[in-house]
Amino acid sequence: QSLLTQPPSVSGTPGQRVTISCTGSSSNIGAGSDVHWYQHVPGTAPKLLIFLNANRASGVPDRFSAAKSGTSASLAITGLQTEDEADYYCQSYDTRLRDYIFGTGTWVSVL
Amino acid sequence: EQVLESGGGLVHPGESLRLSCAASGFTFSSFAMAWVRQAPGKGLESVASITGSGGHLSQAGSVRGRFTISRDNSKDTLYLQMDNLRSDDTAVYYCARMGGFCSSGQCYYLKSWGQGTLVTVSS
Repeated sequence: QSLLTQPPSVSGTPGQRVTISCTGSSSNIGAGSDVHWYQHVPGTAPKLLIFLNANRASGVPDRFSAAKSGTSASLAITGLQTEDEADYYCQSYDTRLRDYIFGTGTWVSVL
Repeated sequence: EQVLESGGGLVHPGESLRLSCAASGFTFSSFAMAWVRQAPGKGLESVASITGSGGHLSQAGSVRGRFTISRDNSKDTLYLQMDNLRSDDTAVYYCARMGGFCSSGQCYYLKSWGQGTLVTVSS
């Protein structure tokens, strides 16, 4: 059972804004561990989107943004595009497990 | 920069397999590396990670005592020795170069990923 909870799916039409939440606890996000976000199109290599809570990786459009507060984090996609359809995962470090943990994953569908 | 996994395949429960990950385009010995897996229909799971000099960073409880991560900096190659394999180890295994530098380990992320290699454990 993952220690980082995400909604199973979110959807939107082209041009809309969607957000994905990542809920942790006092042993991971709340302990000061950084949060990172990945995009994974099935059958391809996962891709780093956001690192250290809010920094966009090289080549990632500014439609993607993220924030962290307390024991949670969120990823926002504005101006949704069809190529954004993918699984999205948050990732952090759990100080109790002393291990890197991923969120449960969220499928973004573009209607 | 690029990482390329190899060594996956079909094995029976209880058997062993060694995965390799060849790195290029960056100074391999300067960066921590990790293995991450994705079982069919499931999400991403961290397997193990190692510092640039070969020190322990992390290991999932589900593989402790069965899997060993190691690296050969002279060959720019990362390894994952998997022993006593079980059916629930069936997954695509990804190699990744880690980013972030912090003594606590709380800042590390997975900067560059390979395409993955499929490991199937079945009788």
